[in-house]
Amino acid sequence: DAGITQSPRHKVTETGTPVTLRCHQTENHRYMYWYRQDPGHGLRLIHYSYGVKDTDKGEVSDGYSVSRSKTEDFLLTLESATSSQTSVYFCAISEGADYNEQFFGPGTRLTVL
Amino acid sequence: GQNIDQPTEMTATEGAIVQINCTYQTSGFNGLFWYQQHAGEAPTFLSYNVLDGLEEKGRFSSFLSRSKGYSYLLLKELQMKDSASYLCASMDSNYQLIWGAGTKLIIKP
Repeated sequence: DAGITQSPRHKVTETGTPVTLRCHQTENHRYMYWYRQDPGHGLRLIHYSYGVKDTDKGEVSDGYSVSRSKTEDFLLTLESATSSQTSVYFCAISEGADYNEQFFGPGTRLTVL
Repeated sequence: GQNIDQPTEMTATEGAIVQINCTYQTSGFNGLFWYQQHAGEAPTFLSYNVLDGLEEKGRFSSFLSRSKGYSYLLLKELQMKDSASYLCASMDSNYQLIWGAGTKLIIKP
């Protein structure tokens, strides 16, 4: 199994509070991704990174920011959480952008009350 | 727009064969992925097709027709542990994966 961990695994927070989710990999893969998964929807890309300090927006980036200061860590921040951001968040990694499978972390279940 | 369609739910019997269909429309195409996701767990990679035809991998096979924007995942000799959601994803021209909502497969004894 690819070495990907996410923390926390579960979090309950209140509307308006800041939240940071962490993704850590031990594979030295260049690409890292943050997705959210909601019932009735496919996985939706929030942000991705193609190297240290190199990030770009995905399909549903509003309300989220990311940072990648080290190859192994990719942080997702909700500056002011809203109930619509209640979701399961998955981090994924891949060696390259093209024709490469993505390996997923175990997920973080976030509830915003 | 970009769109991936797959059935929401399917039911099959242990030991039987099931085919899960996926149609896709994406801006550009760089391959079609299938993932398996058990309830409460992360998706795991099953197959990748970029050329037309059938790719076989043990009990699982995946087929692609680029001209029709169509793929299917074929599962043979179904086992109870195959109960899971199966996710279809198309890689677009920017090498981003566009995901279907998943097909929940229920296996009955």
